[in-house]
This record gives sequence, structure tokens and C-alpha cells, in this order.
Amino acid sequence: SYVLTQPPSVSVAPGQTARITCEGNNIGGKSVHWYQVKPGQAPGMVVYDDNKRPSGIAERFSGSNSGNTATLTISRVGLGDEADYYCQVWDTSGDHWVFGGGSKLTVL
Amino acid sequence: EVKLVESGGGLIQPGGSLRLSCTASGFTVSTNYMNWVRQAPGKGLEWVSIIYSGVSTYYADSVKGRFTISRDNSENTVYLQMNSLRVEDTAVYYCTRVPGDTILGMDVWGQGTTVTVSS
Repeated sequence: SYVLTQPPSVSVAPGQTARITCEGNNIGGKSVHWYQVKPGQAPGMVVYDDNKRPSGIAERFSGSNSGNTATLTISRVGLGDEADYYCQVWDTSGDHWVFGGGSKLTVL
Repeated sequence: EVKLVESGGGLIQPGGSLRLSCTASGFTVSTNYMNWVRQAPGKGLEWVSIIYSGVSTYYADSVKGRFTISRDNSENTVYLQMNSLRVEDTAVYYCTRVPGDTILGMDVWGQGTTVTVSS
């Protein structure tokens, strides 16, 4: 089955840029989606189809995808961005959704 | 307003059964891909099951043969029948929508319902 690998944690200073990676075999050939999960809240989509933002998501959130790595980039990070972030793809070989293990973003 | 509301969670003993419900408003479940996703305490997101806009259904290996996803178009509701529950099924269960016949991610999530499997 398809595996997505994320770093468990990412730390960044306020106002700086956070980059969260998601590695998978030839992930560049898939459509990658990203979700934000804050404690006690339901997850919410922040990027879909590699680099598109849902309505209401700040322009500070962007995505890229090439080769074996997809990246979620959050610019001008603030305390309100502290959350767990998950990448996701559709595994056509098994008709399954696959989530990465999640990355905890800490704003120092 | 597009919304999903889950219900049916609770405390259940190992080996027991529960049926979760997910009622949609603002859109029609029959024309979208509907999913269940869960998050165990302290763990990551885990996809559980999908029902296509047709009748096809698929399951994670961890629940295959024990869980059944279904849909009642007249009630605009999706269900998850969970049998032979195990301690490791303890989680918050979310109902989600993937718009239309696409794989463009889960754009709508419910607030979740908590299932606790314990003796």
C-alpha cells in the first residue's frame, strides 16, 4: 500500500516561513491535499490538488508537489497556525485514501 | 449552509456493535463521495471507508469485514455500522465529503462523534 512520510514536528519563529514536507513514491504524479487539525476541533482543508486554496483559507498557505516530495508552505507564521498538519492522497491501486502521519507545527 | 452532523457514538464493550449516522444539509450525499475518517486518542488521522455516488464501497484493511458503510438518499444520511468492535477502534469518527465524482480532497467535515470501546 502507498505510504506518506511526514516529519513529526516542525518549529518556526513567528513571522517566518514554515515548510512541511510529505514524501511518497512518485507523489508528484498524484493530487495532494493538506489538512489542519487543532486540539478539540474538526480537521479542515487548507490546500487541495497540490496548490489550490479552499475558499476562506489565507493566501499565506500554499502547496507544491514534484518528484517524491509535496510541501505545504505557511508564510508569516503566527501563533494561530500552531496545529497538526496532514497530507493526503488517493491510492488508485487500492481505492483507498492515505494520510501521512502528521506534522506538529510549533511556533517558537 | 453545507454541513455534516454525526451521531451515534458512545461507550461500548469489546465485541459489541454501534451504528453511526451522518446527516448532511446544504447538499445531496448521493452525488458526492462520502467517507468516514477516525482519529484515535493521541494518534493521526485514519481513513476508514468510502461510499461512491453509485453503490461502490471500500474499507481500510483494519475494519474490512467488520464495518459497513451505507447511505439513505431519502434521509440524506450516511451510516457506518460497526460490528465486532475492538479496543483499538476507540476514536473520534468524522464524516467527510469529497465533492462530486472527484478525488479533490475532503472539503466538508462533521464535528465528530466519539466511540469508546472498553470493558
